[in-house]
Amino acid sequence: EVHLLESGGGPVQPGGSLRLACTASGFTFRDYAMTWVRQAPGKGLHWVSTISGSGGSADYADSVKGRFTISRDNSRNTLYLQLNSPRGEDTAVYYCARPQLPHGYFESWGQGTLVTVSS
Amino acid sequence: EIVLTQSPGTLSLSPGERATLSCRASQSVSSTFLAWYQQKPGQAPRLLIYGAASRATGIPDRFSGSGSGTEFTLTISRLEPEDFAVYYCQQYGYLVWTFGQGTKVEIK
Repeated sequence: EVHLLESGGGPVQPGGSLRLACTASGFTFRDYAMTWVRQAPGKGLHWVSTISGSGGSADYADSVKGRFTISRDNSRNTLYLQLNSPRGEDTAVYYCARPQLPHGYFESWGQGTLVTVSS
Repeated sequence: EIVLTQSPGTLSLSPGERATLSCRASQSVSSTFLAWYQQKPGQAPRLLIYGAASRATGIPDRFSGSGSGTEFTLTISRLEPEDFAVYYCQQYGYLVWTFGQGTKVEIK
């Protein structure tokens, strides 16, 4: 059974930094691209970033490009999202999810971790 | 970027009724890359439908998806109490994912 567990959320000041982690189990982690999706309080779902299985390529939503960095450690079965210079609008629950490529749907999700950007 | 617009924003229905949710894309989407999710408060989204019409593992057959091009539909044939939730459509293309804004199905 696929299991994804996020951690690292919490309060962060605007302009600060925070690193989220997602620990995966139940599948061969290096064989799958991984994604971060976020959801602001009371709002809808928004794709943030996706990284290839090898970690050699990554894509970002325009809203976070240049500020957030996705990475992975396949030896630790762990996905990361580095949040640099966060803004108030980055306040959200951040989910890690495994996309089923090439179709692009997300069958497996973590439970999410809340990031609150506030001074 | 393809924009997905869901309607209605809120659907007020009674258990046992039929729910029809719409997802309209700003440009044509291959059916292969269209999915639907259900989300309940405090929970992660749950995949219902992929490839526009294929039910995910364990999803009851009262859920069905249809459509093509720019118009897609999620139908719940007879609402059960556990079906009252928010539903999102999602598309994938050229390494970019987009979601609709959601339709809330609430108890009338």
